[in-house]
Amino acid sequence: DSGVTQTPKHLITATGQRVTLRCSPRSGDLSVYWYQQSLDQGLQFLIQYYNGEERAKGNILERFSAQQFPDLHSELNLSSLELGDSALYFCASSGLQEVRYTFGSGTRLTVV
Amino acid sequence: AQRVTQPEKLLSVFKGAPVELKCNYSYSGSPELFWYVQYSRQRLQLLLRHISRESIKGFTADLNKGETSFHLKKPFAQEEDSAMYYCAHPDQAGTALIFGKGTTLSVSS
Repeated sequence: DSGVTQTPKHLITATGQRVTLRCSPRSGDLSVYWYQQSLDQGLQFLIQYYNGEERAKGNILERFSAQQFPDLHSELNLSSLELGDSALYFCASSGLQEVRYTFGSGTRLTVV
Repeated sequence: AQRVTQPEKLLSVFKGAPVELKCNYSYSGSPELFWYVQYSRQRLQLLLRHISRESIKGFTADLNKGETSFHLKKPFAQEEDSAMYYCAHPDQAGTALIFGKGTTLSVSS
């Protein structure tokens, strides 16, 4: 157990639907990062939150959004889902001003 | 733009053979570089970071600023080394890690 918890582990949904992925960071870590892993694109950085505030944005689609709550857990919301959104979504956390990540086990999203 | 390039998508070697997984980066300044390993599409685990100059599971990596490379090496590959390997460095703002597309290492007996 890395200390970063992601739920659910697997999600199957239909095109056009909306899903929410959840991440609880390792105890003491204030930063949460979301990544999308697909076979052709590798690991793509989506977004980072630090202590509740958005810190950096990567290749995140407008249909996707995220937030970090006061208890530091984060949620990634994916809406109007398309087949191409099928991927592994990883969350990682790190301490203050550090990019040494601890990754969660990921959520495997399948859009049918 | 910052970029991490891993030119090989797949590297297949026999057990006991030397392994070199290539990584080149484009970054202005002195980057902090990392290698992460992912077994069977599970979570990524930190393998090495260049500032610690340590050897993990027999792997080493040397930063070559002249060639802007951070190749991962192991003298004798083991079957349990079969995994996906990602090279990464922080973006220019230092806020997020940028990963290469990964190299799958396959070690067979």
